[in-house]
Amino acid sequence: KAGVTQTPRYLIKTRGQQVTLSCSPISGHRSVSWYQQTPGQGLQFLFEYFSETQRNKGNFPGRFSGRQFSNSRSEMNVSTLELGDSALYLCASSLGSGHTDTQYFGPGTRLTVL
Amino acid sequence: GEDVEQSLFLSVREGDSSVINCTYTDSSSTYLYWYKQEPGAGLQLLTYIFSNMDMKQDQRLTVLLNKKDKHLSLRIADTQTGDSAIYFCAESPYSGAGSYQLTFGKGTKLSVIP
Repeated sequence: KAGVTQTPRYLIKTRGQQVTLSCSPISGHRSVSWYQQTPGQGLQFLFEYFSETQRNKGNFPGRFSGRQFSNSRSEMNVSTLELGDSALYLCASSLGSGHTDTQYFGPGTRLTVL
Repeated sequence: GEDVEQSLFLSVREGDSSVINCTYTDSSSTYLYWYKQEPGAGLQLLTYIFSNMDMKQDQRLTVLLNKKDKHLSLRIADTQTGDSAIYFCAESPYSGAGSYQLTFGKGTKLSVIP
């Protein structure tokens, strides 16, 4: 079974621009979660999508948004980029079946904001 | 609130055992996880333990759980240079609407000395 894939792997943007990151989950997985990883804050939860609906959201400003398509692929968007948005963005997929669920991570997209 | 704590660094000699410790706060987490991150890579699920277990062994990995003290440890037997990485402990508190987001520690950087 193919793992979680994320595209692109690397991105360089400038302040004020917007960016869209993509995540394709493991086949059969219906839940996609997004995390931001920075040296200072560590791994922080952004949001989770299940069956095209946002099921949970972390503590991030409204500039961070996402969506999920009917094939479970997910995209996240960051508008009006700030220097502090430079991070590794990780997505994780799971069945979404509840407390016995296990999340599997992709390789991440490294975003650099100049 | 949720908080997962780990020591930041651990250095061991090749062939020795490594023990990485973690304390967590959420007593409702059904599973507790250990993930491994190598430089420039995403998170690899190493192992997990069900909250009603005290111990789980998986080849060179042993997970010990002390639920009373909310203490989790990961022991790696016969540590190899390929085990050098950052190890993250994570709890999975229920967030409502069927969602179980992961809350991570800051990670323990394991350095293996040849």
